[in-house]
Amino acid sequence: EPEVTQTPSHQVTQMGQEVILRCVPISNHLYFYWYRQILGQKVEFLVSFYNNEISEKSEIFDDQFSVERPDGSNFTLKIRSTKLEDSAMYFCASRGTPLHTGELFFGEGSRLTVL
Amino acid sequence: GENVEQHPSTLSVQEGDSAVIKCTYSDSASNYFPWYKQELGKGPQLIIDIRSNVGEKKDQRIAVTLNKTAKHFSLHITETQPEDSAVYFCAASPSGAGSYQLTFGKGTKLSVIP
Repeated sequence: EPEVTQTPSHQVTQMGQEVILRCVPISNHLYFYWYRQILGQKVEFLVSFYNNEISEKSEIFDDQFSVERPDGSNFTLKIRSTKLEDSAMYFCASRGTPLHTGELFFGEGSRLTVL
Repeated sequence: GENVEQHPSTLSVQEGDSAVIKCTYSDSASNYFPWYKQELGKGPQLIIDIRSNVGEKKDQRIAVTLNKTAKHFSLHITETQPEDSAVYFCAASPSGAGSYQLTFGKGTKLSVIP
């Protein structure tokens, strides 16, 4: 069964450092997303990406965040200068193309710990 | 923007009993309502979804109902089993092309007691 894969599964970093989280969406999907979940809280939308550009982003997704699809398979989230409050589980998701198909497929997440 | 409220935050049921989780949403433009199950250390997994042109949908022991007028939708799990224990999230989204920005509820931790 196709799945979304994410690396690393867990990353520990010092405050102020740059972090890149990587995702390989399902191969025939065209819409890509990053969500985050702070421990014990709800899953929050960060950004959606389609046709090599951001289609929507939330207030959380400020100038410290960026996304990129550097090749035909990877989708990355970069946090330029991490803060303590960036500690969370980050989920990548992807969706197929038909207009009325809504299922988002989520990866297992990358846990980011900022010290 | 959309706001989704979910109740209860925790729910304990005896194995074999039914469980009901309720959600309300605020944006009348939302017309896609998925439910996700999240097991410990894993990503959310879609278990059932419903669109606004349908009032009820059932898949084996799981059913979802939608009342668009009242802006609420519910998840019903019958004959619960220990493996149903997990955190369940409801979500809402407008389903226009390029969207599907899901707004999640805060989750319900379901514990099924054997």
